[in-house]
Amino acid sequence: EDKVVQSPLSLVVHEGDTVTLNCSYEVTNFRSLLWYKQEKKAPTFLFMLTSSGIEKKSGRLSSILDKKELSSILNITATQTGDSAIYLCAALTGTASKLTFGTGTRLQVTL
Amino acid sequence: NAGVTQTPKFQVLKTGQSMTLQCAQDMNHEYMSWYRQDPGMGLRLIHYSVGAGITDQGEVPNGYNVSRSTTEDFPLRLLSAAPSQTSVYFCASRVDSTYGYTFGSGTRLTVV
Repeated sequence: EDKVVQSPLSLVVHEGDTVTLNCSYEVTNFRSLLWYKQEKKAPTFLFMLTSSGIEKKSGRLSSILDKKELSSILNITATQTGDSAIYLCAALTGTASKLTFGTGTRLQVTL
Repeated sequence: NAGVTQTPKFQVLKTGQSMTLQCAQDMNHEYMSWYRQDPGMGLRLIHYSVGAGITDQGEVPNGYNVSRSTTEDFPLRLLSAAPSQTSVYFCASRVDSTYGYTFGSGTRLTVV
């Protein structure tokens, strides 16, 4: 059975802090690792990582995949209150492109 | 492009009733999926489709049916609603393996 595990489950930080969210996966026929941000409604796409060791960056967010360790991290630097959300990690598998999600990390950024 | 459109946004059903959750996308995406999201459980795959006429089961398919007669539409049918199907349902689509899935805004379903 495919499994994706995220840690920590929740996190409270002060504005300006840097945070690292973790994701590990045990799946068959791995293709890519995806990160999503979920505020009140639908998850919004952040990154898709396919190659190991190559960092993807978007503003203050960055992510990297380690295929040897079957894991990925999502870094957020200089956090802002608008970063408060649930961050979801998902493994894309197989030719049918199925997504298996972790349960998410709930991040709260306080003033 | 409207993206992925789900209707209705909210629905209350009585146990035993049936209904269809609608999902439509105007991006000509081949891949479409249905997920349910429950507290503490993350998103779980119900059914998915890799193109018109092709569907398959995901992790939690029991009690749900799907069909994909066109590229644009991927409705999810609840055959006989049960309180355990109370959840938020998301439809998602993607064009191919180089892109991430785009999600609809969700349907919050309560079965009483």
